[in-house]
Order: sequence, then structure tokens, then C-alpha cells
Amino acid sequence: SQTIHQWPATLVQPVGSPLSLECTVEGTSNPNLYWYRQAAGRGLQLLFYSVGIGQISSEVPQNLSASRPQDRQFILSSKKLLLSDSGFYLCAWTGNTEAFFGQGTRLTVV
Amino acid sequence: GQQLNQSPQSMFIQEGEDVSMNCTSSSIFNTWLWYKQDPGEGPVLLIALYKAGELTSNGRLTAQFGITRKDSFLNISASIPSDVGIYFCAGWGSSYGKLTFGQGTILTVHP
Repeated sequence: SQTIHQWPATLVQPVGSPLSLECTVEGTSNPNLYWYRQAAGRGLQLLFYSVGIGQISSEVPQNLSASRPQDRQFILSSKKLLLSDSGFYLCAWTGNTEAFFGQGTRLTVV
Repeated sequence: GQQLNQSPQSMFIQEGEDVSMNCTSSSIFNTWLWYKQDPGEGPVLLIALYKAGELTSNGRLTAQFGITRKDSFLNISASIPSDVGIYFCAGWGSSYGKLTFGQGTILTVHP
């Protein structure tokens, strides 16, 4: 069966520090991968999605970037975090017709 | 681009009451998905709909894919306290490249 791993679960980082969140999927190949951000337990804002290795679509101009170095690995990065980058970050993968989420990373920028 | 409007934004109900929420799209969707998110967790898939007119149940939950393919609803019958959370609709249109989400419905159930 397919599983999705996302880590770390929580992260507290100072302003100006770099960020790297990792997401990996097991049990499937060539998934579509997504990074979402959720503020204040509300809506899901799509940040990036990828339909294949090295193929990244950015939905919102911001301080973040994404990379897909391997088929089942999706990384969210920042060179210098801002206070406004705080939030709940979710990775998701989709096959043909359904989407599944990781457990999320709670990022607090201080 | 594709947009989903989900309503209501929030609901406060008594235990035992039925709940109904819906999503409408500005364009035709080929797949509708309904999720529930508990605090601090990732959303969990509740029901998936693949055909216009399809009506699918999962325990006390029932969801339907609208005939026009531009809307879907989710009903919860006889609500219980553990139904509390945020419910999201989501879907794909003509391309399966990007999954679009509604804004979410926050459900509060009073014992």
C-alpha cells in the first residue's frame, strides 16, 4: 500500500535561517506531488506541485522554493525564513483519482 | 483557473443533528473528493466521487457528484462530538495535474 512520510512534525526556526522540509512517498511510482500551507487551521493554499522529476509549478510568488530530485521525493526550501512563513505545511501525493496527505509540519518562525 | 466555493464556512450544531455542506465550481470537474482534517493532522480522505450523479455513502456520511459536474455536497447524519473538524472538498477538472480545494467548513458539535 502507498504511504507518505513528511518530516519534521514540528520546527521552530529563527528569522533569516534556512528551511528544508522533506516528503517521500512509498508504494507508488510517478505520483503528482504537492506542497500546501495552511494558516490558522483554515484553507489550504497550494504552494507548489510537481508532475515529474525536476518539474515544479509555483502557484504563489514567495520566499519558498521546491525541488523534486527523485520520483518520490519532494522538498520545500527557503534560503531565509520570514515571520510570515509560519504555518502548517502539508505534503500530498495523487495517483490517478485520489489524493493523500502527510501528517504535516508545524513551522514557527521566531 | 479553477475555483471551488465551499459553504458554509462554519457550522455550530447540537449532537444528533444532521449536517449538510456543499461545493460549487466555476468549471466542470471530473472527480470530487471530500476530506476531514482533525487539529494538527493532515486531511484524511472520506469519500471519492467519479461520475456525475453518483451518490456514495461511508457510514453516516453521504456525498453526491452533481449532475452538472459543477457541484457536490456532503451530508453527515446524526452528528457526534468526534465529527468536529474542518471538512474540505477538492477536485480535478479537465487535467489531473492540479488538485483544487475548497476553503473548508469548520464543524463544531455541542454535546
